Amino acid sequence: AQSVTQPDIHITVSEGASLELRCNYSYGATPYLFWYVQSPGQGLQLLLKYFSGDTLVQGIKGFEAEFKRSQSSFNLRKPSVHWSDAAEYFCAVGVSNTGNQFYFGTGTSLTVIP
Amino acid sequence: DTAVSQTPKYLVTQMGNDKSIKCEQNLGHDTMYWYKQDSKKFLKIMFSYNNKELIINETVPNRFSPKSPDKAHLNLHINSLELGDSAVYFCASRPGYTDTQYFGPGTRLTVL
Repeated sequence: AQSVTQPDIHITVSEGASLELRCNYSYGATPYLFWYVQSPGQGLQLLLKYFSGDTLVQGIKGFEAEFKRSQSSFNLRKPSVHWSDAAEYFCAVGVSNTGNQFYFGTGTSLTVIP
Repeated sequence: DTAVSQTPKYLVTQMGNDKSIKCEQNLGHDTMYWYKQDSKKFLKIMFSYNNKELIINETVPNRFSPKSPDKAHLNLHINSLELGDSAVYFCASRPGYTDTQYFGPGTRLTVL
């Protein structure tokens, strides 16, 4: 069965510091991979996605993610965090052979301190 | 312009009532979805639907039913509401040529 693991439930970083949010997936083939952000009281906004090709993908708001097949990982990074980045971050796997369903990780809550 | 919209944004109701949440997408997408986000922020798919096929997550109680009057709308009907139905419900849509899903703002349902 497909699954997505986000090992860090909560991360706190200082403003201006670098950030890495971890995501591991379990799937027999290369899935479609996504990162979404949910600001407090808001819906889900797509940050970036990986379908194929270059394993380092750039997204909005200065985020990037790297697909590592050998590690079944798709970690999200940002070199310098802004206070407005405080939110919940969800990694998701898209699987075409199940009605194009998404499987979400449990989310990582990011707190940014001044 | 709003891409995926949901109404209402907040819904407070008593146990046993029947309620509906509406979802509309103006993106021309082929497939729409309903997700439930529980108090621990866990997102779980409930339904996926296009013109041809409804796929139901087998763990969803049959008190929940999607209704699609047309391609741009997928409403969620919930009968005999229970306390455990309290959650945030997200609608999403997806074009046929990609696996990217676009989410609505969510509807926070509170059952008292």
